[in-house]
Amino acid sequence: GQSLEQPSEVTAVEGAIVQINCTYQTSGFYGLSWYQQHDGGAPTFLSYNALDGLEETGRFSSFLSRSDSYGYLLLQELQMKDSASYFCAVRDLETGGFKTIFGAGTRLFVKA
Amino acid sequence: DVKVTQSSRYLVKRTGEKVFLECVQDMDHENMFWYRQDPGLGLRLIYFSYDVKMKEKGDIPEGYSVSREKKERFSLILESASTNQTSMYLCASSLRKTGADGYTFGSGTRLTVV
Repeated sequence: GQSLEQPSEVTAVEGAIVQINCTYQTSGFYGLSWYQQHDGGAPTFLSYNALDGLEETGRFSSFLSRSDSYGYLLLQELQMKDSASYFCAVRDLETGGFKTIFGAGTRLFVKA
Repeated sequence: DVKVTQSSRYLVKRTGEKVFLECVQDMDHENMFWYRQDPGLGLRLIYFSYDVKMKEKGDIPEGYSVSREKKERFSLILESASTNQTSMYLCASSLRKTGADGYTFGSGTRLTVV
């Protein structure tokens, strides 16, 4: 089967850096994605890592280590609007690389 | 701007009713998905479709069915609604099967079954 683990909550101060970790177990692996969801809103796609290493998109970066079945989302220069839930998701290769499995989400609270 | 539109934002239905949740995308995407989201459980895949008239079961298909008669429309059907199907339902679509381009989600339908 497949499973993903990420912390349920993280709290950080405005202007700081925060890292949200994600570990996964899957019989096949095709890529790791991150999504952001504000309260009452739809999840929005942030990043995708298929290969090991760091991908940077503005204030957000995402890292993947396939050998460790581990990735993280790094948010820099935190702003109040970054308060949201963040989901990691893996592509399941078992079914032809088509099914995406989501973690339970990490609630990020940004304090002033 | 690309869009996935779900027909209802809020629905209240009675136990035993047949419920239709509609989803339309305007991006000419072949791949469409239905998830339900519950607190502490994240998003769980109900059904998905990678072509017209094609459907595949996800992780929790019991009690649900789907219809994809046209490329842009993917409907989720609750054959006989039950209280444990009270949830937020999210429709999504993607261009690539790999998911490298990410999913575009609709705003969701919050369904309450009483």
